[in-house]
Amino acid sequence: EAQVTQNPRYLITVTGKKLTVTCSQNMNHEYMSWYRQDPGLGLRQIYYSMNVEVTDKGDVPEGYKVSRKEKRNFPLILESPSPNQTSLYFCASMDSSRPYNSPLHFGNGTRLTVT
Amino acid sequence: DQQVKQNSPSLSVQEGRISILNCDYTNSMFDYFLWYKKYPAEGPTFLISISSIKDKNEDGRFTVFLNKSAKHLSLHIVPSQPGDSAVYFCAASYSGSARQLTFGSGTQLTVLP
Repeated sequence: EAQVTQNPRYLITVTGKKLTVTCSQNMNHEYMSWYRQDPGLGLRQIYYSMNVEVTDKGDVPEGYKVSRKEKRNFPLILESPSPNQTSLYFCASMDSSRPYNSPLHFGNGTRLTVT
Repeated sequence: DQQVKQNSPSLSVQEGRISILNCDYTNSMFDYFLWYKKYPAEGPTFLISISSIKDKNEDGRFTVFLNKSAKHLSLHIVPSQPGDSAVYFCAASYSGSARQLTFGSGTQLTVLP
């Protein structure tokens, strides 16, 4: 089954404790992206990757890092989490060879709480 | 400044009637528009899209209308069903943006049996 898998689904942590949210897709998509969803603000892009070893900032990249060492994986790293990073996070991928006919495929989300 | 706006946080409709969800945008460079549906505890899923060269696209019960002069698009669901109850996000992109999507804040649709 074609899917985007995020782990963990729920995470509670404390300020300053480094964490990684993993994301993996099995569709051989070149394009991957991270979003955060906050009430009243919709989905805002954090980082995206057009291909292996190619990453770029989205709209809200501060406090986050990403890496793309393999095509299927795109982890999101919070080096020193803060309470304002409490949010619902989504990873997504897309077949960028057909941008107008290929929508984003989303994972089921990671609910992060930073106390 | 939000470039894609969904001004109605929520909408309730009776089963069998039409649901109309609205979306406005400010960036005239946007040339591709999409609607996503999101159920609780799941990621958004693609519903329907429209290119700026069209003013209407239909897929079963779902139709998206685009009014470029007004920078407005709408999603019509006819007839509405209880299973359509979800959050609907409008999104837009343009060809020079590496297909980056800008999302609206979402509208919670509730279809009452």
